[in-house]
Amino acid sequence: QKEVEQNSGPLSVPEGAIASLNCTYSDRVSQSFFWYRQYSGKSPELIMSIYSNGDKEDGRFTAQLNKASQYVSLLIRDSQPSDSATYLCAVVLNAGNNRKLIWGLGTSLAVNP
Amino acid sequence: DAGVIQSPRHEVTEMGQEVTLRCKLISGHNSLFWYRQTMMRGLELLIYFNNNVPIDDSGMPEDRFSAKMPNASFSTLKIQPSEPRDSAVYFCASREWTSGVSGETQYFGPGTRLLVL
Repeated sequence: QKEVEQNSGPLSVPEGAIASLNCTYSDRVSQSFFWYRQYSGKSPELIMSIYSNGDKEDGRFTAQLNKASQYVSLLIRDSQPSDSATYLCAVVLNAGNNRKLIWGLGTSLAVNP
Repeated sequence: DAGVIQSPRHEVTEMGQEVTLRCKLISGHNSLFWYRQTMMRGLELLIYFNNNVPIDDSGMPEDRFSAKMPNASFSTLKIQPSEPRDSAVYFCASREWTSGVSGETQYFGPGTRLLVL
């Protein structure tokens, strides 16, 4: 079982709609969670981090974390064609001095004008 | 400030040749990660360093791959001999590692697109 799971998509939404991206993880003790966006042919860039249960909002983006259910989600309100990209979920795997990110395979999002 | 710098940006080589990828960290950062990305396997961590010391190399595919960090700001990833299955995008990422949950953010370089024929 992969440690971080995402639906590969593609997820297709019309412009102006809410896009909902989901991620589940297997390590119950994980404390740090990240969403990165990757445009085609480019490198991943951080868009949101979340560490506590609940919602965290930043502009049109809202990250939601539920540690009991081991899922983290990303909502994009008023989706724009420029949001079309692959969204990568990453979870910190913490083993003593070894702290690294475990990555999902990403969800491809297409926002249609 | 300059971001993570990688070179070369593109590399085309023939099977059996040695390939060296280079990475310069963001000034002040003390952790460096080497990743490989393919469509099938996604983003895979190969190796990472904290303060020039390798912490986890469990993702290095085999002895053909080696990585060094000769100083606090620079690293190389070497593949010798290269094989067609090594074709991928190789990313370097930089982190200002601190204790606590907020010290985990990684900043990626532009990547090196490697094609081994």
